[in-house]
Amino acid sequence: QKEVEQNSGPLSVPEGAIASLNCTYSDRGSQSFFWYRQYSGKSPELIMFIYSNGDKEDGRFTAQLNKASQYVSLLIRDSQPSDSATYLCAFRSGGSNYKLTFGKGTLLTVNP
Amino acid sequence: GAVVSQHPSRVICKSGTSVKIECRSLDFQATTMFWYRQFPKQSLMLMATSNEGSKATYEQGVEKDKFLINHASLTLSTLTVTSAHPEDSSFYICSAEESGSYEQYFGPGTRLTVT
Repeated sequence: QKEVEQNSGPLSVPEGAIASLNCTYSDRGSQSFFWYRQYSGKSPELIMFIYSNGDKEDGRFTAQLNKASQYVSLLIRDSQPSDSATYLCAFRSGGSNYKLTFGKGTLLTVNP
Repeated sequence: GAVVSQHPSRVICKSGTSVKIECRSLDFQATTMFWYRQFPKQSLMLMATSNEGSKATYEQGVEKDKFLINHASLTLSTLTVTSAHPEDSSFYICSAEESGSYEQYFGPGTRLTVT
């Protein structure tokens, strides 16, 4: 069974710090990985996706993928109180199956 | 760009009635749409994958006769919860994938409460 594991948190960081969110996955056939942010009572919004080993940066966000270790992470630099939300990682396997498998999410709180 | 809408945003219905939820891609064509359900403090659970012009593919444990999905056009998919019961109360979210894109764009969700 394909699984995604995330630390449910809560993860608490002070404003301005780096928040590090981690995710491991079980399916070695996974090809693309996504990070979504979900505010309470709202639907998820895509932050970024990554499908190659290494780092991918977009503004204050950096996604890191290590396929050998089946590990993907999201770093948030200069964390802001508005970053407080649940962060969901998801992966998609290759082939014609375009389903996303989601983790349970990590609750991040950024303290002013 | 890549906006997905859902209607209604909230609905309260009585047990035994049916509720229809619409999901629309507003500025792109979506060959594939997905329907998720999310209970409080839990992650998204995929219910079914909807492809335009064909029958939906349901996930294991999801009753296809209870959750009717119709993907009549490249911009519209509907989910009908038939004979709703209180345990169907949940946050229903659709997403749409633009043809050839890696990205799924989520609608704002529909909160269903069955009394």
